[in-house]
Amino acid sequence: NAGVMQNPRHLVRRRGQEARLRCSPMKGHSHVYWYRQLPEEGLKFMVYLQKENIIDESGMPKERFSAEFPKEGPSILRIQQVVRGDSAAYFCATKRAGTGGLNTEAFFGQGTRLTVV
Amino acid sequence: DQQVKQNSPSLSVQEGRISILNCDYTNSMFDYFLWYKKYPAEGPTFLISISSIKDKNEDGRFTVFLNKSAKHLSLHIVPSQPGDSAVYFCAASARGFGNEKLTFGTGTRLTIIP
Repeated sequence: NAGVMQNPRHLVRRRGQEARLRCSPMKGHSHVYWYRQLPEEGLKFMVYLQKENIIDESGMPKERFSAEFPKEGPSILRIQQVVRGDSAAYFCATKRAGTGGLNTEAFFGQGTRLTVV
Repeated sequence: DQQVKQNSPSLSVQEGRISILNCDYTNSMFDYFLWYKKYPAEGPTFLISISSIKDKNEDGRFTVFLNKSAKHLSLHIVPSQPGDSAVYFCAASARGFGNEKLTFGTGTRLTIIP
């Protein structure tokens, strides 16, 4: 997990507020994936981004959730008007682009634990 | 629709013995499989992977076996050590179809008894 930085580690928000979760990839990594883990469940894919592009957002809820990965700076997962059901651990994983058929594995950050009160 | 299933929520194994964790999948498009280990309050750590063109991959104490016809894979840890106590997640992707997102199972909590 060393190198993929997520902050904050813990975030408490009241219902209706906005939550911003940040993910700084490892050096040289240009692919970012966001996953959500609800209590007692596995990780669920949310969105896959490359620099300035959303590649796959099939796991993102249709409303209130958005993600970006700008040319400079970390990837941001933004949740507007949070509700209690948004309480979960949010993980990002980053990887470098595969070259020459090499499989490259994604490295996960330590996660942000969001609690909505 | 749980496409990757880990039917054993927990497993206890004596130190020094073999730990066998199982995983089943339903999606025939999955062609790449991974195992991750997770400690509380930390992110998953990659352990070992296997491509669908193989039926076995070994890395030190860890071996993953893939049975494509049964859509089943297993992770063997031998010998098991106390530091192996963690939650283990099986994951799958359909890389050959240009889709590298991971679909995870619900995890198996492994406890190694000293």
